[in-house]
Amino acid sequence: GQSLEQPSEVTAVEGAIVQINCTYQTSGFYGLSWYQQHDGGAPTFLSYNALDGLEETGRFSSFLSRSDSYGYLLLQELQMKDSASYFCAVRANTGFQKLVFGTGTRLLVSP
Amino acid sequence: DTAVSQTPKYLVTQMGNDKSIKCEQNLGHDTMYWYKQDSKKFLKIMFSYNNKELIINETVPNRFSPKSPDKAHLNLHINSLELGDSAVYFCASSQAKRTSYNEQFFGPGTRLTVL
Repeated sequence: GQSLEQPSEVTAVEGAIVQINCTYQTSGFYGLSWYQQHDGGAPTFLSYNALDGLEETGRFSSFLSRSDSYGYLLLQELQMKDSASYFCAVRANTGFQKLVFGTGTRLLVSP
Repeated sequence: DTAVSQTPKYLVTQMGNDKSIKCEQNLGHDTMYWYKQDSKKFLKIMFSYNNKELIINETVPNRFSPKSPDKAHLNLHINSLELGDSAVYFCASSQAKRTSYNEQFFGPGTRLTVL
């Protein structure tokens, strides 16, 4: 089977740094992505890691360790608007983009 | 606006009815998807079409039938609706490249409630 595990909820205050972890177990692995979803909204793409290491995009960074089947999303200088659900997703095939999504982490940012 | 659009946004219907959800993208992508997001926010792929050809067909009841009249449209028809079909259905699109990854663009979702 295929599974991606994330913490169900994380809380933090404005200006803080938070890390959302993702561990995966999939039959194939061709990269780890992160998506953000606000309540009532659509998932939107944040980042993608195909190789081990850290990818930085503004206040958000994503890390991957393929040997540990583990990745994380790091959010810095948190803002209220960052309150949302965050999903990791594994691209499980080399051809067309079948994404297997994690269980999702709800991030609550307080003043 | 360039985007993925879905209609309707909300759909409330009785058990046993048949309903359709429509999706259109004007991003010029060649691959489209249907996802189901349940009440626990678990997001699961149902179908995917590339250039009007079905390429991903997950374990979905055959009451669900996707149809892609062209690359820009992917519709979802559901027969004999059941209570368990209540969920948010998202359409998405991307440009498929076998050797690289592209992000998927999601539509606003259709909240289906079966009474």
